[in-house]
Amino acid sequence: NAGVTQTPKFRVLKTGQSMTLLCAQDMNHEYMYWYRQDPGMGLRLIHYSVGEGTTAKGEVPDGYNVSRLKKQNFLLGLESAAPSQTSVYFCASSQYPGTSGHQPQHFGDGTRLSIL
Amino acid sequence: SQQGEEDPQALSIQEGENATMNCSYKTSINNLQWYRQNSGRGLVHLILIRSNEREKHSGRLRVTLDTSKKSSSLLITASRAADTASYFCATLPNTGNQFYFGTGTSLTVIP
Repeated sequence: NAGVTQTPKFRVLKTGQSMTLLCAQDMNHEYMYWYRQDPGMGLRLIHYSVGEGTTAKGEVPDGYNVSRLKKQNFLLGLESAAPSQTSVYFCASSQYPGTSGHQPQHFGDGTRLSIL
Repeated sequence: SQQGEEDPQALSIQEGENATMNCSYKTSINNLQWYRQNSGRGLVHLILIRSNEREKHSGRLRVTLDTSKKSSSLLITASRAADTASYFCATLPNTGNQFYFGTGTSLTVIP
């Protein structure tokens, strides 16, 4: 009964380094999302995907790239990390809206990323 | 930004009391959702209310939606220490697939 799993849980990077955050869901959900959470800012959407092979920009996409090669996985990449990207990153997934409209999102427990 | 805002930012109550938190948003919405976040954990969905609904209940939770005022409220009745968490509203505008989260209300329930 894993739900949404994020790896790694913690990471410290130096400015300019690159890394990939992995999100995996076992609920066969169509939609997946990457958010960042900063103090006093709530959650802000970075990128999202409405299905395998598709991605779209969210509210704060600059400095990030994503890929959805498999339905169950959604990867978030930082090509050249900057201190401003220090944050907690959350992945979420949800069912296809269908005729009943958008469904609740299921969240992972986050990746705490520090950029020095 | 289309981000919503919760009010108050922080709330401290005694166990057994009711807790009310409010969410205001800026654009016309398809639906509004409330989430809870315990410290160090991800968000957990509580309740969803659609734009054509005015009130929904789920256990000790009651949510209202006033689309004319672009606002929603979450009422937790008979609070428990385990309700201590941050609560966020998330709105889905009529167009698009992006959810916009508010800044959250931090609720502390004192045993």
